[in-house]
Amino acid sequence: EVQLVESGGGLVQPGRSLKLSCVASGFTFSNYGMNWIRQAPGKGLEWVAYISSGSSYIYYAETVKGRFTISRDNAKNTLYLQMTSLRSEDTALYYCARERRVDYWGQGVMVTVSS
Amino acid sequence: DIQMTQSPSFLSASVGDRVTINCKASQNINKYLNWYQQKLGEAPKLLIYNTNNLQTGIPSRFSGSGSGTDYTLTISSLQPEDVATYFCLQHSSRLTFGSGTKLEIK
Repeated sequence: EVQLVESGGGLVQPGRSLKLSCVASGFTFSNYGMNWIRQAPGKGLEWVAYISSGSSYIYYAETVKGRFTISRDNAKNTLYLQMTSLRSEDTALYYCARERRVDYWGQGVMVTVSS
Repeated sequence: DIQMTQSPSFLSASVGDRVTINCKASQNINKYLNWYQQKLGEAPKLLIYNTNNLQTGIPSRFSGSGSGTDYTLTISSLQPEDVATYFCLQHSSRLTFGSGTKLEIK
């Protein structure tokens, strides 16, 4: 069974940093690209970033480019999202999701940016 | 970026009804359109991928159709367990999502 489990969320002050993790199981993690997707309270879903299976291709939404960094450790079956210079508008539930066509999602982890 | 317009945003129907939800893309997405179901407190679940392919384990009452810019999710006979929010995703160019349809039983 495919499982994606996010962690690392919480309350953080504006301008500070936070690193999210997503541990994958039930499939060969190193064979799949991965995404981070977020949903702000009361808002729609927004794609944040994508990384290919071997980390050769990385893409970001314009709203986070230069502030967020997606990475992965295939030996640890783990996807990361390093978030810096956080803003109130980054407050959201963050999901990791498998593959470009997004076939499996985690349950999400909440990030709240507030002073 | 490709914009996705989903309708309706809210839908109330009776058990056994045929239900349709629509997504319109701002440009041709070449059938790279998925449909998801999200129940309260749960992760989204893929129902249909690439317009009309039923994901493994999904009941056959769910189906998808469309081409070009216009796509439809159909539930042929609504069941009580289908109460959820449904949304579309285009993966032709980057990823963009529809705004969601909240489906309830009348």
